Amino acid sequence: DAGVTQSPTHLIKTRGQHVTLRCSPISGHKSVSWYQQVLGQGPQFIFQYYEKEERGRGNFPDRFSARQFPNYSSELNVNALLLGDSALYLCASSLVEEGQLNYGYTFGSGTRLTVV
Amino acid sequence: AQSVTQLDSQVPVFEEAPVELRCNYSSSVSVYLFWYVQYPNQGLQLLLKYLSGSTLVKGINGFEAEFNKSQTSFHLRKPSVHISDTAEYFCAVEAAGNKLTFGGGTRVLVKP
Repeated sequence: DAGVTQSPTHLIKTRGQHVTLRCSPISGHKSVSWYQQVLGQGPQFIFQYYEKEERGRGNFPDRFSARQFPNYSSELNVNALLLGDSALYLCASSLVEEGQLNYGYTFGSGTRLTVV
Repeated sequence: AQSVTQLDSQVPVFEEAPVELRCNYSSSVSVYLFWYVQYPNQGLQLLLKYLSGSTLVKGINGFEAEFNKSQTSFHLRKPSVHISDTAEYFCAVEAAGNKLTFGGGTRVLVKP
């Protein structure tokens, strides 16, 4: 069974450009979360989606947006890129039911975004 | 809000020696606790988790952690490390809302 897959693995963009990162969760997982990991730091929560609805948002500017599709895959979009957006972007999927506990996340290998 | 402090940013250790990675957390509500490992240029792999029950949790690759509610700690230990344990280790907590809050990480360097 495939794990969490993210694409692309690496990306170089210029300041001011827009980027779209993609994530496919483990089959059967309905929840997808996005995290930003700046070099030398722990991951920071950006978004969580469950059943195509946003269920949580971290302290990130409106330039960051996301969505989840009917097949539970997800996209993270970042507009007007800044140098500080350079980071590893991690996607995590989890098997969580409405109103129940979350017993753990499975992370993808991430997309390394470099903004120049 | 929750916060996680990993007290050591780097831990050098000789092969076959024991290692302990310290993690303290702050939360006004009950949390679930996790340790993840990150190898170079990879994502995060779950080592172990504490949800409830026994405060001593055993994980993969010989790691274990002990939950101490009074000290709000969740320290990770391994009795004998291998070269392959060289990696970065992250402690994380989850409260209601289903998001993980991570510490800053501890880089373990195993020396031969």
